Amino acid sequence: GAVVSQHPSWVICKSGTSVKIECRSLDFQATTMFWYRQFPKQSLMLMATSNEGSKATYEQGVEKDKFLINHASLTLSTLTVTSAHPEDSSFYICSALGGTSGRYNEQFFGPGTRLTVL
Amino acid sequence: RKEVEQDPGPFNVPEGATVAFNCTYSNSASQSFFWYRQDCRKEPKLLMSVYSSGNEDGRFTAQLNRASQYISLLIRDSKLSDSATYLCVVRSGANNLFFGTGTRLTVIP
Repeated sequence: GAVVSQHPSWVICKSGTSVKIECRSLDFQATTMFWYRQFPKQSLMLMATSNEGSKATYEQGVEKDKFLINHASLTLSTLTVTSAHPEDSSFYICSALGGTSGRYNEQFFGPGTRLTVL
Repeated sequence: RKEVEQDPGPFNVPEGATVAFNCTYSNSASQSFFWYRQDCRKEPKLLMSVYSSGNEDGRFTAQLNRASQYISLLIRDSKLSDSATYLCVVRSGANNLFFGTGTRLTVIP
């Protein structure tokens, strides 16, 4: 149980295009999901907290108009990188707050999406 | 000051060795503490939670010192499969996790 999937796992796009990344909790409902970004040899940095049915909460320095987050259901959150540029190339990882008994406070991570912007 | 600070390493140790990683955190109100393991180009995976009383899981022992705001992880009898980056993670506030930069471990045959 507590499996989180991400799609796509790897994407290459041209500068200026938009890319949508999906994060799904497969066997549990997640009212809260998190989006992280990790640059090579650096730590994971929280970008935003996504709550089902409400607007996402963005961390300082993260542009909400550039990184659009939609959490329309209890099992799906999407991150859209709009007008992507090479500096947006990174490893994007989502996590979902566990909803099962005894594990409600644990974050389960998706496998990540590697974005390369040419 | 970073929320969580770790020695990035790398640590290169022979099989069978004992290795220890340390981590400090800045927010004294932090509530929960974890060690995660991250393999290259993969997502982090929970290795173990860290409790004030210290806890052990097989070859892995984690300790927390709230007074010094210090967390440690000890790995005994290192295996080749232990090679990975170990992330010190602290939860503060409403379920926000703060990650250290990670300590890279390579176990050498």
